[in-house]
Amino acid sequence: QVQLQQSGPGLVKPSQTLSLTCAISGDSVSSNSAAWNWIRQSPSRGLEWLGRTYYRSTWYNDYAVSVKSRITVNPDTSKNQFSLQLNSVTPEDTAVYYCVRETDYFDYWGQGTLVTVSS
Amino acid sequence: QAVLTQPASLSASPGASASLTCTLRSGINVGTYRIYWYQQKPGSPPQYLLRYKSDSDKQQGSGVPSRFSGSKDASANAGILLISGLQSEDEADYYCMIWHNSASVFGTGTKVTVL
Repeated sequence: QVQLQQSGPGLVKPSQTLSLTCAISGDSVSSNSAAWNWIRQSPSRGLEWLGRTYYRSTWYNDYAVSVKSRITVNPDTSKNQFSLQLNSVTPEDTAVYYCVRETDYFDYWGQGTLVTVSS
Repeated sequence: QAVLTQPASLSASPGASASLTCTLRSGINVGTYRIYWYQQKPGSPPQYLLRYKSDSDKQQGSGVPSRFSGSKDASANAGILLISGLQSEDEADYYCMIWHNSASVFGTGTKVTVL
């Protein structure tokens, strides 16, 4: 059974960096048949896909155009986890953030982390 | 204009059928895409229901009842989720999704109320 356990702060100050980590059990971040995504949800923006990382003989990343200049999604093979960094946050980045495994579809979701951007 | 537009809400009676639409922005041809559908209940992340591109390219999620089905209306440039025999447990938010230019895009979501 795949499990995704998220960790990271729930409060970030404006202009700072939002950092979250997703620990994977029951699968490998280096899997050749999965991708590892970050998706957020807020009342104002709805469900918004942010980006992903995946391994197909080498590492790849895809990012949403809306955050491409501010986002990094990195795998950590030594800890079997992946991370999200979102720079220069504003109150508009306040949302519930989910890490999500993708195979044919988004099949396993983390528990969600409410991140509030406020001073 | 959003890439994927869904009606904000839909209400129907138990036992009725509900047709949820997902309209693609002009210039994006529905025939090209697999449309994914997710159901979200309060306090939980979305759950995969099914995907539909054509009758020969479709997939039902594991354990998803057959009363959930997908189709397309090419004339409206829209994907459709049909829920037959509505049950109280179907009350939820429903989101469509496509992969467009290597990025996932979600629809605006439809809140289904079972009266």
